Amino acid sequence: SYVVTQPPSVSTAPGETANITCGGDNIEFKAVHWYQQRPGQAPVVVISYTSDRPSGIPERVSGSSSGNTATLTISGVEAGDEADYFCQVWDPDADLPRVVFGGGTTLTVL
Amino acid sequence: QVHLVQSGAEVREPGASVKISCKTSGYDFTGHYIHWVRRAPGQGLEWMGRTNPFDNFSYSVGEFQGRLTLTLDTSITTAYMELHRLTFDDTAVYYCARDAPPLIDWGQGTLVTVSP
Repeated sequence: SYVVTQPPSVSTAPGETANITCGGDNIEFKAVHWYQQRPGQAPVVVISYTSDRPSGIPERVSGSSSGNTATLTISGVEAGDEADYFCQVWDPDADLPRVVFGGGTTLTVL
Repeated sequence: QVHLVQSGAEVREPGASVKISCKTSGYDFTGHYIHWVRRAPGQGLEWMGRTNPFDNFSYSVGEFQGRLTLTLDTSITTAYMELHRLTFDDTAVYYCARDAPPLIDWGQGTLVTVSP
């Protein structure tokens, strides 16, 4: 089955840019969705279909993908961006089609 | 406005079962899959399975196969998840989510604690 891999943690100073990666075989050909989850809250979609930003998500949040890596980029990082971030793809080729989550990346604002 | 409201926290002993409800509103219930996802302490999001309110077809994967029952009551736009033969490793927050795709709307989560 399809596997996606994320770094466990990323640290960024306020105002700088955070890049959170999601690795998978030829992931550029898959729709990648990104979720932000703050402690005690349900996940929220921050990027859908690799680079689409839902309404209410600030423009400093963006997504891209190339080759075997999809990337969530947060520019001008703020304290409120501290959270866990998960990438997600759909694996239609498994014995049973399934949602696949990356292991998650904790973003720490220094 | 879309809402998914889950039932409250549960405590169970090992070997028992737990059933969680997910009351939905604000959208066409039969037009979107309902997924179930959990997050155990210190772990990431784990997908458990999904159900199709249009034809009531559901399935689960991996360790949940044979242990997870997903049902619906279309008359009250509510989805249910029942997990059997609980172990300590099933202690987690369980979520239902509406599939657009992506998983666009989520319930608030239900904490299930497995304790002797």
